[in-house]
Amino acid sequence: EAGVTQFPSHSVIEKGQTVTLRCDPISGHDNLYWYRRVMGKEIKFLLHFVKESKQDESGMPNNRFLAERTGGTYSTLKVQPAELEDSGVYFCASSQGVSGSRDEQFFGPGTRLTVL
Amino acid sequence: ILNVEQSPQSLHVQEGDSTNFTCSFPSSNFYALHWYRWETAKSPEALFVMTLNGDEKKKGRISATLNTKEGYSYLYIKGSQPEDSATYLCAYMKTSYDKVIFGPGTSLSVIP
Repeated sequence: EAGVTQFPSHSVIEKGQTVTLRCDPISGHDNLYWYRRVMGKEIKFLLHFVKESKQDESGMPNNRFLAERTGGTYSTLKVQPAELEDSGVYFCASSQGVSGSRDEQFFGPGTRLTVL
Repeated sequence: ILNVEQSPQSLHVQEGDSTNFTCSFPSSNFYALHWYRWETAKSPEALFVMTLNGDEKKKGRISATLNTKEGYSYLYIKGSQPEDSATYLCAYMKTSYDKVIFGPGTSLSVIP
């Protein structure tokens, strides 16, 4: 069974540009989470989808970040315009969904974003 | 402000030694605690999901205990091997609808 995949693995952009990250969860997983790790600090929650609905987006840092999950399958996270402090590793995770956050979450390999 | 702490920050042990580290979290509310193993440049790998006070879970040489009343969880590794070298993360949730809060991790290096 394929795991969680993320694209691209690395992205280097200039300040002010737009970047879109993609996450493909494990097939059949209703829950999809976005996290990021900035400057070697703790992994921070960004948001949580249940199917196509945003269950919790309290971790989104500001309105430059937009996440979508059309059709309840893959998800995209767009940063527009990117700022220097957005640099970090963006992780996606998915879980089956029956027990909510008590379910094991499967992480993707992450996208390393560098904003110059 | 919710704070999840892990100690020690880093640890160096000899191959064959047993070791343990701590995750502490607010004891006032508890829903679930996750432990992850994370090797740099790879995905965090789920080890355990712990939900009940007194839970003890085991996977091979790795085990974990949970005390929700005092707000801590221990992770134990018996007979450490070089392949155990990684960062071990805990992640806490106080309610079913709250976001997951990660600790800073404990970095383990096992010296052959």
